[in-house]
Formats: sequence, structure tokens, C-alpha cells
Amino acid sequence: DGGITQSPKYLFRKEGQNVTLSCEQNLNHDAMYWYRQDPGQGLRLIYYSQIVNDFQKGDIAEGYSVSREKKESFPLTVTSAQKNPTAFYLCASSAHDRGGYTFGSGTRLTVV
Amino acid sequence: GNSVTQMEGPVTLSEEAFLTINCTYTATGYPSLFWYVQYPGEGLQLLLKATKADDKGSNKGFEATYRKETTSFHLEKGSVQVSDSAVYFCALSRDNFGNEKLTFGTGTRLTIIP
Repeated sequence: DGGITQSPKYLFRKEGQNVTLSCEQNLNHDAMYWYRQDPGQGLRLIYYSQIVNDFQKGDIAEGYSVSREKKESFPLTVTSAQKNPTAFYLCASSAHDRGGYTFGSGTRLTVV
Repeated sequence: GNSVTQMEGPVTLSEEAFLTINCTYTATGYPSLFWYVQYPGEGLQLLLKATKADDKGSNKGFEATYRKETTSFHLEKGSVQVSDSAVYFCALSRDNFGNEKLTFGTGTRLTIIP
């Protein structure tokens, strides 16, 4: 079955370390997105990519980086410059058909 | 710019009660409208959608009608169950086939008591 796979489900990071969150989709979707969700809050857009080898900053891109070398993959790196990285991270993808997003099951990142 | 305003939660109802979660939007053009549901510890799942004015989206007993005159997309269900307990997000997309970036509301937490 087609879908989006995020890994790992839980991730612990020491302060000052960079970590990379994986997002893979086999839906043949062109667009992919990364959101951050904090407890009791809505979703905030970090980065998005409409096509391979191209991506744009969202509303809270500082301290994060992405790449889009393959259509299927859109990894997110949380750098040491991100001051408050503890959150739930959601990856999504969409086709250009007004059908909405398909979400992964999320990665919970905790700084220890 | 585009924005979505949702009814603030949390909302607590008894089983079999009638549910309404209000959602209004501000957008240029003719956006598509969506309701997503998030169960604890999981990602969001598409619940229903409507792509033009007066369309009614429906799924699992939930319904929402795209009302352009009132810029609203309220979520309703006639008889809620304990399994409906979750966080519900209203969202809209730009009317641009080249850019499907969604704008989300802040979410409404729903708890159903047996």
C-alpha cells in the first residue's frame, strides 16, 4: 500500500548535536512538507518542496535544513542552531490535484 | 493572506450527543476546504473535503458544507462515539494548481464521555 514513512518514531538528541529525521513516500507525489507541532498547538510549516531539487522556507525555517534529491525522500535536519527543538515533527505529501495531504505518523524529538 | 479560525477547545460531550465544531476562513479566490483528525501520538488523517461552494464532504458520519456566503466549513456529527475522541483540524488550500500548501487552524480537542 502507498503511504508515507517517517523514522524514527522517537528520537533523543543531546544539546549541540544535529539530527536528521527521515521521510519517504511511495505515492508518487510531487510536493512534500515538514511541520512542527507543539503540545496543544496547531501545525507550523518548516519547509516545503514542490519538485525535486527545489524547496522553500516555511514560517519557522530557522535552525532547520532540508534536501530533496529524490522525489520519494525529503529528510529534515534539526541543527544545533534550533534553540527549542523538542516537538512532534510531521511530514506530508500531496499531488497537485486539490486532494489534500497524506501525513506520516510523526517523529517525536526530545532534547536531553 | 489566508487564515483559518477554529472553535477553541477543549470540547467535552457525552456519547450520542450532537457535535458541531465551527470553522471559518479568510482566503482569496476559491480554496478547497478540509477537515483532518489526529488521534493521540499519530499523524493527521484526512476526514473529509470540499472543493467548491455548496459542496458537502462526508465520511464516518461526519459532514461539513462549504458555505462561501458565510466563509464557513463547520464540522457536524449527529451521534458521537467514544472512538471519536481526537483533535480535529480545519484547513484550506490555495486556489492554485501549482501550489497546494495548506493553511491549518489551531485544532479543537474533542473528548467523548461514555
